Amino acid sequence: NAGVTQTPKFQVLKTGQSMTLQCAQDMNHEYMSWYRQDPGMGLRLIHYSVGAGITDQGEVPNGYNVSRSTTEDFPLRLLSAAPSQTSVYFCASSYFGQGKAEAFFGQGTRLTVV
Amino acid sequence: LAKTTQPISMDSYEGQEVNITCSHNNIATNDYITWYQQFPSQGPRFIIQGYKTKVTNEVASLFIPADRKSSTLSLPRVSLSDTAVYYCLVGVNFGNEKLTFGTGTRLTIIP
Repeated sequence: NAGVTQTPKFQVLKTGQSMTLQCAQDMNHEYMSWYRQDPGMGLRLIHYSVGAGITDQGEVPNGYNVSRSTTEDFPLRLLSAAPSQTSVYFCASSYFGQGKAEAFFGQGTRLTVV
Repeated sequence: LAKTTQPISMDSYEGQEVNITCSHNNIATNDYITWYQQFPSQGPRFIIQGYKTKVTNEVASLFIPADRKSSTLSLPRVSLSDTAVYYCLVGVNFGNEKLTFGTGTRLTIIP
């Protein structure tokens, strides 16, 4: 049972480069989200999706794009990488039901922008 | 989404019971309270969730008073492996799916 799979695990980018962080889940969850976590800090929500074709902004969306063409996949695109985007990125998929929610997280992608 | 307040950090010795309290004064009637645990270099993982009174599972207990304006995560007889950041979330349900994590409580277990 794979759960939430993120690729790559590590990435180094040069300033101005673009890239896509991949996230896939096999639990048929409607809700998926992306977070970034800077050293010693909590998680900050970047973008989230409540189903295929529906996305919305979180707390820190600038510099990132998302799309949700299938239930399983929710890629995060960095349009023009900046050193301030150096962080660990986590993808999550969540179950919602009768007022309850449980999120399952991937292993994270450690991104360094030089 | 109900705002939550929890201590930034706590220290405890091995073998002790640890209680982490979260304040959520503007919790709504339909809101559940959820706690997550995050180890270094890993994503958070769900620990426990409750609506009122007491919930217990194999990892922790969650105590929620009648007014539901706070909740307490209780970890029995902690070990070094319980060193982690613990997050309290309130108010996530259909129509309000923003899962926002605060800074959490950094728990350090001392040998």
